[in-house]
Amino acid sequence: EADIYQTPRYLVIGTGKKITLECSQTMGHDKMYWYQQDPGMELHLIHYSYGVNSTEKGDLSSESTVSRIRTEHFPLTLESARPSHTSQYLCASSFGGLQETQYFGPGTRLLVL
Amino acid sequence: DQQVKQNSPSLSVQEGRISILNCDYTNSMFDYFLWYKKYPAEGPTFLISISSIKDKNEDGRFTVFLNKSAKHLSLHIVPSQPGDSAVYFCAAHRPGTYKYIFGTGTRLKVLA
Repeated sequence: EADIYQTPRYLVIGTGKKITLECSQTMGHDKMYWYQQDPGMELHLIHYSYGVNSTEKGDLSSESTVSRIRTEHFPLTLESARPSHTSQYLCASSFGGLQETQYFGPGTRLLVL
Repeated sequence: DQQVKQNSPSLSVQEGRISILNCDYTNSMFDYFLWYKKYPAEGPTFLISISSIKDKNEDGRFTVFLNKSAKHLSLHIVPSQPGDSAVYFCAAHRPGTYKYIFGTGTRLKVLA
């Protein structure tokens, strides 16, 4: 089982602020993912990474950006938060082949006022 | 267009009885499926998986059935326990990628 951590768990912030959501995993997984989920809706992939210095946009367009400078760390940044960014953000990681199970962190609930 | 559908948003079951959670998908190319359980304020936790080359996989109280011709899978929990009360998501793997497509979830409530 993967150990994957997200901070902060909850964040309330004003419009226009820059925020960074942290995600770290200690299992040495090469692939990491960011999902966005609104209540009662499916998880939407917004970013993923195959390894260090590799990042790709997901299926759902997002104004956020990500970086992967270290294997264990995959932060997500919003340069200027807006109320439309209010959502839950879930980080996940996996290791190995295409069908490998993704293991999730506890999530960050973001509220932009 | 939703490729993975969980048409029942909620389900209530008596403790000790069987819980059956359903998931339908539209893309016959999906080759691997996962079920996750999610408690409030936590991330999804992996439960059980099934490959498209199988029609059943069992792990303790949890069994997943896959009917490829109907593009339907189901998760059976027997016997259901109050601790099983959570939201359950199915996810389908898109071949040739590392991506999974998730359903909207079904909230299961197991009544004591």
